[in-house]
Amino acid sequence: DQQVKQNSPSLSVQEGRISILNCDYTNSMFDYFLWYKKYPAEGPTFLISISSIKDKNEDGRFTVFLNKSAKHLSLHIVPSQPGDSAVYFCAASDPSQGNLIFGKGTKLSVKP
Amino acid sequence: EADIYQTPRYLVIGTGKKITLECSQTMGHDKMYWYQQDPGMELHLIHYSYGVNSTEKGDLSSESTVSRIRTEHFPLTLESARPSHTSQYLCASSDRHSGYTFGSGTRLTVV
Repeated sequence: DQQVKQNSPSLSVQEGRISILNCDYTNSMFDYFLWYKKYPAEGPTFLISISSIKDKNEDGRFTVFLNKSAKHLSLHIVPSQPGDSAVYFCAASDPSQGNLIFGKGTKLSVKP
Repeated sequence: EADIYQTPRYLVIGTGKKITLECSQTMGHDKMYWYQQDPGMELHLIHYSYGVNSTEKGDLSSESTVSRIRTEHFPLTLESARPSHTSQYLCASSDRHSGYTFGSGTRLTVV
């Protein structure tokens, strides 16, 4: 059973508007969450992270929100740019294993 | 500048050949991982290592094998390549204080 779920396989947004990518998790012991961005034929690159003791972390156009009671996090990109078009992976850190658990990814397309 | 290196970036090889995908990192990370990803699909963990002489199989069954003789080096070997092995292979490393750093990947095509 998936512990990290990204239920939207794809999302299309107009340039300049807000992109919201969602991620749900099942294990309340996860203590650290990350978002990775992946272009085709390249490896994922780290985008932004949040510790479970926080509910928001902001870095430029990217903000991650964490709702622990709902076991939900989201990535907001505003304003969206065509260069943001990529697959975004949500990941959670399992402290018992020391590994990251990845979601299946959401493909974001930002239209000019 | 990349701290984790994968070679080759692209490889086209015939069925039945033996291949080794190289992965090296210069960050001194103890943990290293191999993921397999088909286009537009999720990342599948196929092997990981917590340090020298430590190797474990991941969530997805794979016919590949790995070795970890040195901290910085984590090669993946396919003894006899088949078309079903065609995929992108991603190597990553981490320490206990950081997330994963991924290499650029190897795009393998078996014909």
